Amino acid sequence: GQNIDQPTEMTATEGAIVQINCTYQTSGFNGLFWYQQHAGEAPTFLSYNVLDGLEEKGRFSSFLSRSKGYSYLLLKELQMKDSASYLCALMDSNYQLIWGAGTKLIIKP
Amino acid sequence: DADVTQTPRNRITKTGKRIMLECSQTKGHDRMYWYRQDPGLGLRLIYYSFDVKDINKGEISDGYSVSRQAQAKFSLSLESAIPNQTALYFCATSEPNRDTGELFFGEGSRLTVL
Repeated sequence: GQNIDQPTEMTATEGAIVQINCTYQTSGFNGLFWYQQHAGEAPTFLSYNVLDGLEEKGRFSSFLSRSKGYSYLLLKELQMKDSASYLCALMDSNYQLIWGAGTKLIIKP
Repeated sequence: DADVTQTPRNRITKTGKRIMLECSQTKGHDRMYWYRQDPGLGLRLIYYSFDVKDINKGEISDGYSVSRQAQAKFSLSLESAIPNQTALYFCATSEPNRDTGELFFGEGSRLTVL
């Protein structure tokens, strides 16, 4: 079967760095996505990893290790507007997305 | 204007009523999806459609039906709503490029079944 785990909630300070982890188990893998979702709003695409390594996009970076079934999203220079839920999603062998429950990130001044 | 538009944005209804949620898109994408989101759970796929003549059940299709009226329109129906269908519903679209698979979401439809 398939399973995705990520922490339910994290707290960080404005200006700091935070790493949100995502672990998964799957029989087929075609990529891993990170989405951001502000409360009451639609998810928006942040990153996509299909090969091992780090993808950097401004203040946000995403890392993937396929052998370990592990990904993380790294957010630098945190801003209050980064307070949101961060959703990890796995694309399975049928190119369907399996979603984690999301990590609610709280940024404190 | 939003590229993916859902109506209604909020709806309160009673058990047993028929409800339709509508989705229209101006992105020109062939693929459209309906998801529901519940607190503490990940997004769950209800139905998806890869073109006008293609409809597929997702993970949780029981109690729901869909209609793909045109490339730009994909409607979700609850024939007889029940309280555990209270949730936030999202429509999404994507291009048929498997290398990215990025989904573009509508703003969501919050449904409450009393």
